[in-house]
Amino acid sequence: AAGVIQSPRHLIKEKRETATLKCYPIPRHDTVYWYQQGPGQDPQFLISFYEKMQSDKGSIPDRFSAQQFSDYHSELNMSSLELGDSALYFCASSSYGRDYQETQYFGPGTRLLVL
Amino acid sequence: AQSVTQLDSQVPVFEEAPVELRCNYSSSVSVYLFWYVQYPNQGLQLLLKYLSGSTLVKGINGFEAEFNKSQTSFHLRKPSVHISDTAEYFCAVTSGGYNKLIFGAGTRLAVHP
Repeated sequence: AAGVIQSPRHLIKEKRETATLKCYPIPRHDTVYWYQQGPGQDPQFLISFYEKMQSDKGSIPDRFSAQQFSDYHSELNMSSLELGDSALYFCASSSYGRDYQETQYFGPGTRLLVL
Repeated sequence: AQSVTQLDSQVPVFEEAPVELRCNYSSSVSVYLFWYVQYPNQGLQLLLKYLSGSTLVKGINGFEAEFNKSQTSFHLRKPSVHISDTAEYFCAVTSGGYNKLIFGAGTRLAVHP
């Protein structure tokens, strides 16, 4: 079965540079979530989109922005990168199901290292 | 607000022994509960989920979990573990709809020969 695709899988940037992470949801999934997992930590919710509109926002820095496009893929844009942004960034997708139930399926993640 | 507590940060166990990873949650609304597994340097894989119905849910790789509403728990169990089960296990909760997942801190399961 098709899974969530994330690119790139690994990314190395310098401080103050910008980065763009891409997420391609499972076909026919209409919702995308972004999570950040720091070293040795649990994933923390950043932001989500449903039908190309932002549906929820978590602890996402103002330096970060994201959007969902007409083909449902999503991009997370990160500017003025800081050392503390080094983390594993997950994208998850889901489909609005029966009785408001949903399951989020995760991609393999993008490992960002800021030097 | 919702929260998840995984009571054990690390669980060492010998191969073929049974294991239980504990998870408690708090929420003022109905919840949906999940266990995800993360192998070293990999993404999150769904093990099992409780949405409604039978409180005993079975997942992949021989794992099962029981939803206990009165004790607000969702403990993960496996009767006989393998070396390949060594991984980080995350319990997560959501109230459904398009709500975000709230994760516990994770439990590192280390299976020894």
